[in-house]
Amino acid sequence: QKEVEQNSGPLSVPEGAIASLNCTYSDRGSQSFFWYRQYSGKSPELIMFIYSNGDKEDGRFTAQLNKASQYVSLLIRDSQPSDSATYLCAVREGAISNFGNEKLTFGTGTRLTIIP
Amino acid sequence: KAGVTQTPRYLIKTRGQQVTLSCSPISGHRSVSWYQQTPGQGLQFLFEYFSETQRNKGNFPGRFSGRQFSNSRSEMNVSTLELGDSALYLCASSSDRVPTDTQYFGPGTRLTVL
Repeated sequence: QKEVEQNSGPLSVPEGAIASLNCTYSDRGSQSFFWYRQYSGKSPELIMFIYSNGDKEDGRFTAQLNKASQYVSLLIRDSQPSDSATYLCAVREGAISNFGNEKLTFGTGTRLTIIP
Repeated sequence: KAGVTQTPRYLIKTRGQQVTLSCSPISGHRSVSWYQQTPGQGLQFLFEYFSETQRNKGNFPGRFSGRQFSNSRSEMNVSTLELGDSALYLCASSSDRVPTDTQYFGPGTRLTVL
């Protein structure tokens, strides 16, 4: 059974600080990794995706991937109250060029609360 | 560009009934995936359709089925509803254009089975 693990939280972070969200996965064949944000009562919203080892930055968000350790993380700099949500890590099997595998395996999510 | 749309947004059914949910993908997206989200199990993959063919399938019983039409719109059907089928059903579409084939979710259909 391929698994994606996340700390369920809640994770409380003061406004303006860095929030660090972590995710581990069991399938070494996984190639694509996604972070979604889900507000209560809403559907998941894509924040970032990452395919290569290392860091990928987009505004206040940085995704980090370490395939050797089977670990992916999301850093949120200058946290804002509007960042309070559940963050879902998702993993897609297969190579980037695998045209036919859209199945995402999700972690259970980390609930993040930004304290003003 | 309009996002993924799902209808209806809310449904209340009783045990034993069947239900059909609809999903219209983002224009130009040919892949549609369905997920079930519950508090206990989180987001779980049901199946994925591409060009009217089921391409991937999750570990759900045969009561859960789907189809896709030539315009990429997709429907999901659940027969003989059980209490445990109460969930948020999400569909997601993707362009299937590697490597940027990320999935975008619709607002979901909240199904309550009484």
